[in-house]
Amino acid sequence: DAKTTQPNSMESNEEEPVHLPCNHSTISGTDYIHWYRQLPSQGPEYVIHGLTSNVNNRMASLAIAEDRKSSTLILHRATLRDAAVYYCILRDVSTGTASKLTFGTGTRLQVTL
Amino acid sequence: DTAVSQTPKYLVTQMGNDKSIKCEQNLGHDTMYWYKQDSKKFLKIMFSYNNKELIINETVPNRFSPKSPDKAHLNLHINSLELGDSAVYFCASKDSSYNSPLHFGNGTRLTVT
Repeated sequence: DAKTTQPNSMESNEEEPVHLPCNHSTISGTDYIHWYRQLPSQGPEYVIHGLTSNVNNRMASLAIAEDRKSSTLILHRATLRDAAVYYCILRDVSTGTASKLTFGTGTRLQVTL
Repeated sequence: DTAVSQTPKYLVTQMGNDKSIKCEQNLGHDTMYWYKQDSKKFLKIMFSYNNKELIINETVPNRFSPKSPDKAHLNLHINSLELGDSAVYFCASKDSSYNSPLHFGNGTRLTVT
């Protein structure tokens, strides 16, 4: 599986936008970029995914670089409930049902008042 | 209604014992997973079943045996428990679309003493 690199931790003030970066310089053409987050004492939760174009949903936006070697998860207005570990994961869909999510160390986001 | 539910939530047992963790999903998904999160918070895939068939089997000791009686259930049986088996075990499920997100349960914290 192609690997991703994320900062270990980031801090944000509440109600400010947060940009969480992810580098994936060895991404292949069949890799989708997925983001999950894990709140304290809970299982991981899907946030968003994309291939080439920027994506928006009710939780966040995903900005993908033109060469696809990096991406940024954008939380438009961070709240205390967004404090979690955010994982950027490459998922190779060419393996079909054997496609798996391989989690890295993620970015621990702290949100303060 | 809980989409992916695991029981028990906590499990404390002694070395050498045999224990089982149960997982059920009511989402109509046909692929289910077991992940292990160790004390350093690394999340690692262990097994995946698709329509009751094993499709992913990572390097896991033979003491771990998954069983899928039907598409909605994937149980994990662990023989001869060791101290190193202490971790949080997460069950997850997804539908048949290659790129659909995983839905995780809230985990079972296993402590082996």
